[in-house]
Amino acid sequence: GAVVSQHPSWVICKSGTSVKIECRSLDFQATTMFWYRQFPKQSLMLMATSNEGSKATYEQGVEKDKFLINHASLTLSTLTVTSAHPEDSSFYICSGADRGFEAFFGQGTRLTVV
Amino acid sequence: QKEVEQDPGPLSVPEGAIVSLNCTYSNSAFQYFMWYRQYSRKGPELLMYTYSSGNKEDGRFTAQVDKSSKYISLFIRDSQPSDSATYLCATYTNAGKSTFGDGTTLTVKP
Repeated sequence: GAVVSQHPSWVICKSGTSVKIECRSLDFQATTMFWYRQFPKQSLMLMATSNEGSKATYEQGVEKDKFLINHASLTLSTLTVTSAHPEDSSFYICSGADRGFEAFFGQGTRLTVV
Repeated sequence: QKEVEQDPGPLSVPEGAIVSLNCTYSNSAFQYFMWYRQYSRKGPELLMYTYSSGNKEDGRFTAQVDKSSKYISLFIRDSQPSDSATYLCATYTNAGKSTFGDGTTLTVKP
């Protein structure tokens, strides 16, 4: 399958700082990128959907000013967690899709805010 | 009610056992049905997908869909310790979003 590279795989940051997570599709053009959050032993919670060159569509309850998503090219999307707090600590996963249902997931980023 | 409900588990089986993982869904508009495998601290990987009622086989894995009862299953034959992971069922409509079950954690003991 196609490859989506997500970095960093883990990050620790201080409360109040911002963290940027990158998601790159390496061998296909990701028309759509999805960002998920996953708590331990729980499923993937979709945070937002972004199409290249457009503003992201956020799911209900997700603060767009806190979770900034940029999808400036067909191979790169970024999620910036602004003014991070301990409750933002979680596993964040991106996935990219060219078209249709088959989305390819990144390796995930474990964020710990201290 | 969640759109996709998955048997919660966890499931622990001996090596060589047949494993059955199950989900139900509520939206008739769902067109594709997928199974993902997720190892600890990793992103999910697509195992199999199907878009019609019936069975689809891939090696030791069989995906089964019954659209009349809105039921999807994944069977693993001759289970191996390397199959130990969390399995997520998912559905998809042409609106572009996948809906995931909560996952079932499987442990295959040698």
